[in-house]
Amino acid sequence: DTAVSQTPKYLVTQMGNDKSIKCEQNLGHDTMYWYKQDSKKFLKIMFSYNNKELIINETVPNRFSPKSPDKAHLNLHINSLELGDSAVYFCASSQGLSEQFFGPGTRLTVL
Amino acid sequence: DQQVKQNSPSLSVQEGRISILNCDYTNSMFDYFLWYKKYPAEGPTFLISISSIKDKNEDGRFTVFLNKSAKHLSLHIVPSQPGDSAVYFCAASAGDNYGQNFVFGPGTRLSVLP
Repeated sequence: DTAVSQTPKYLVTQMGNDKSIKCEQNLGHDTMYWYKQDSKKFLKIMFSYNNKELIINETVPNRFSPKSPDKAHLNLHINSLELGDSAVYFCASSQGLSEQFFGPGTRLTVL
Repeated sequence: DQQVKQNSPSLSVQEGRISILNCDYTNSMFDYFLWYKKYPAEGPTFLISISSIKDKNEDGRFTVFLNKSAKHLSLHIVPSQPGDSAVYFCAASAGDNYGQNFVFGPGTRLSVLP
């Protein structure tokens, strides 16, 4: 009964590949997010979806595309992976302006 | 350009004593602040929040103080327990729109020594 779940937990892949990370929340929240935690441990927001509409799209390369089939899911697709994409990616959700609930993270390693 | 700063990368405290974690911000539009705790290999967990209309918020052993004029907030943990050992992130946001942009600080690693 995990509130925010992500799969896979670890992802190792070659440069140039395309990969996806899935996220699901069972909290009934209306907003979901993707964050990237880089090697310096900074958590930076990438995307936010509210009721299936993109609200925030920070300066993220268009190789990254969020896909939300419904309110409970926000998947992250990454095309043409680069070495610099290696990081931990966190999914989160919130109800309106309230605090965010985070998933356990996906550690992506690009070789 | 770091809008949220946590200048102490690490902090060690004896069990039972007070832990004080500090956070400074530069954007005067920030009006909502949160603290998260993160254990290794887990996602951040929400601890406590404060809006700019208050200067203090308390929840059990955790108290957050906000000094708007100094653009400074702090998290006090009293008494500190070994289970509090984790990385603590300060986060801030501005505005009242959905999907607001939370800006996180770099975190402070707290070690509570038995």
